[in-house]
This record gives sequence, structure tokens and C-alpha cells, in this order.
Amino acid sequence: EAEVAQSPRYKITEKSQAVAFWCDPISGHATLYWYRQILGQGPELLVQFQDESVVDDSQLPKDRFSAERLKGVDSTLKIQPAELGDSAMYLCASSWDPSYEQYFGPGTRLTVT
Amino acid sequence: AQSVTQPDIHITVSEGASLELRCNYSYGATPYLFWYVQSPGQGLQLLLKYFSGDTLVQGIKGFEAEFKRSQSSFNLRKPSVHWSDAAEYFCAVGARGTSYGKLTFGQGTILTVHP
Repeated sequence: EAEVAQSPRYKITEKSQAVAFWCDPISGHATLYWYRQILGQGPELLVQFQDESVVDDSQLPKDRFSAERLKGVDSTLKIQPAELGDSAMYLCASSWDPSYEQYFGPGTRLTVT
Repeated sequence: AQSVTQPDIHITVSEGASLELRCNYSYGATPYLFWYVQSPGQGLQLLLKYFSGDTLVQGIKGFEAEFKRSQSSFNLRKPSVHWSDAAEYFCAVGARGTSYGKLTFGQGTILTVHP
């Protein structure tokens, strides 16, 4: 069964450092999402891609976060510089298109010290 | 703007007992509705979805949910809970118009199962 891949699974970094997360969606899925999940809360959308284009990044803190999906397949989410409040689970999801259900990867647990 | 409320933060049931997890949503049109389950430190697994049609939907692991438009609810049910069902459950509403595809999640309900 095809799955969404994410790496790394865990990341510990010091504040002010740069950190990057990678996501490989299910093959053929044109829509890719990055969510942030703070402990004890539901996931919140950071950015949505349709192929290589950003569809929604209204909740992405653009002063420190960036996301790209250059060839419309895998994607990278970057934080620079990391802050203590960025400690969270970062989840990637993909779907055939926005009208279909989303499938989630295992997530990257980020701890900023 | 769409929103989801899960009134119960934590529910405890005995193994073999029935289960109902509540979900209320706010959305201006007919929504897409989902239930996901998350084990500690893991990603989210889709249990079931409602897009249109029959308001009682069946999912994996013996779960079902009923869409009630008049009550803006999409409650999750299971007739007999197993110890392996212990996890956190999230209800989500999907946008159809602006922000098409965006999921808005509730804060989750933690399920504990006693033997």
C-alpha cells in the first residue's frame, strides 16, 4: 500500500538554527499539504500545493517559514531561524486533488531547545 | 470560516462497551467530513469520510458515523470497543469553495479503553 514518506522522523535543534523537513507524497497525488500540530491540538494547515504551485499559504509564517515543491512531486518545508514556539509535529499529507481524502505521513517531531 | 468542535477532550470506556464520539461543525454549505485516528507519535489514519449521499457512512475497524445536517453533527460510533482502539480521534471538515481542500480539525478526543 502506497504511503506518504517523511524525513527525518525526529529533529532536535537549537533556537536560531535552520531546519528542513522533507515529504514524498503518494505517487500521482497532485495536491500536497503541510500541517503543524502542537501537542494537545488538532493539525493546522500551513501550506497547500497543487502540483508545483502554492494554493494557500495564508497561515504560513513567511518571515521564517518557506516551502517548495519544485517539480510537483516531493516537497521541503524550511524554518529559519527556529524559535522555541516552533516545537511541534509537522505533518505532510497528499491527495489526488482537493476533492479527495488526504493521506498523512508519519510526521516529523521537532524540538527546539 | 469553518470550524469543528469536539466537546469531549477525554473519554474512558471498558473493552466491549459501545462508543460514541461527538463532533459538531460550522460551515456555510454542505461540507466534506472526516474522522481520523492518531496513535501516539504517529501520523493520522483516515477512518471514514462523508462527501454526499447516504448520511450513515461505514469506515475501517468497525467504525461508522452519521451526518445530521439539522444538528451540524458528524458523530463517530462503534458498537464494541477493543483495547487497540485506544488513541486520539480527530474530526475534520473540508472546504469546498474558497480554500478548496483545506481541512479544519477539532482539538481531538483521547480515548482510553479499560480491560
